This record gives sequence, C-alpha cells and structure tokens, in this order.
Amino acid sequence: GAGVSQSPSNKVTEKGKDVELRCDPISGHTALYWYRQSLGQGLEFLIYFQGNSAPDKSGLPSDRFSAERTGGSVSTLTIQRTQQEDSAVYLCASSLGLVTPSYEQYFGPGTRLTVT
Amino acid sequence: GEDVEQSLFLSVREGDSSVINCTYTDSSSTYLYWYKQEPGAGLQLLTYIFSNMDMKQDQRLTVLLNKKDKHLSLRIADTQTGDSAIYFCAEKHGGYQKVTFGIGTKLQVIP
Repeated sequence: GAGVSQSPSNKVTEKGKDVELRCDPISGHTALYWYRQSLGQGLEFLIYFQGNSAPDKSGLPSDRFSAERTGGSVSTLTIQRTQQEDSAVYLCASSLGLVTPSYEQYFGPGTRLTVT
Repeated sequence: GEDVEQSLFLSVREGDSSVINCTYTDSSSTYLYWYKQEPGAGLQLLTYIFSNMDMKQDQRLTVLLNKKDKHLSLRIADTQTGDSAIYFCAEKHGGYQKVTFGIGTKLQVIP
C-alpha cells in the first residue's frame, strides 16, 4: 500500500515569505508526527497529532510555526515569515496509534526547505 | 532534558561486523530504537529494545543495552554494501509520545 507522502519534495523560498508543507499519512493511521532534520543535527521533534488534536506542541521552535490536521488525515505545517535558520528537511511520520514498539512510526521522504 | 549522542561516521569493509554506539541521558527511557535512513528515503525502523532487556537479536542485527551506563549499541554482522546508510539511535519515555533521536551515524561499507 501507499506510504507516507509529503509535498513538495523541495521548496525554495525567500526570507520573510510563508510556506506550507503537506503530509499525507498512511490511511487509517491515527497518529501523525512532524520532525525537523537540520544539517548536522539529529531529528528534532516538532509536534504530534492524535486524530485532529495536538496534545503536545512543545517542540514548535517559535510562534511562526503552526500545524493543523483535518479529517484525521492530511496535515499541514505552516511556517510564517521564514528565516534562514528554518532551512532543513521536514519529516512527517504516521503510526496506527500512539507510539509503542508495536505501533511503528512510518516516515515520509521529507520536504527539503531552503530559505534564501 | 533528554539527550541522545552517537558518533558521526563509521567505515567498515564488506563482510566485517559493524558496531554503532549510542549513549542517552534519560534514565526513565522505556524504549530504545534503531532507525535506518538510506539516501533520499525516509527513516525506517530497524529494531527496538525494551529497557528491561539486555540484548535482542534479529537476523544479522544484535542490539545490546547497558542500562547502568545508558549505552546502546547496534551490531551488524557480515556487513554488506546495502547496509550503507545513516543509523539513528532514539529513545522514548513510556509516559510521553515524544521520541528523541540522536544525530545519526553514517555507515560507509567499503567493497
């Protein structure tokens, strides 16, 4: 079956512009996660959704970052007034439920964001 | 807070064993994971271990956990060129959904 998909695969934007990154989880997966992978850094947890609600937004770096999920499926991560330090690969993952070893996180290929 | 550390790079010859090491700081970690990321692809869960286990073996993969030293290792036997990838160590505290990842170790397999 189809895996997690993300769009666009690459995005180049000018500093100060807003961007929207999209994640399509695996059908039936109720949990959805966003991570950021910066050059030379590990994966940084941003936010997770259980259904449409986001119980933990603690990882969002600033109030310029927001995310939503509608219909328990597609999620968008929005970055307003982008800065150069926002340049990174943004990864989305989904799982059948809350993360336990039996509920493996399946990762998408990521969106590479470059802010010029 | 949680922190996971691992070396950046490891080079081995095809057919040798690879050992990738990881240390973590959260003594209440419940689950520890190894993920593999091939070029241009997303992360793939390789294996995991519960914190009450010392060792787990899965075909060519052996995970060793030293909970006292908060040290986790992944051994890949008979390393193949297809094993070339970045390997991420990660930990999760049972009460929380956040998974903390290390920086990733790039494994290079020399034919």
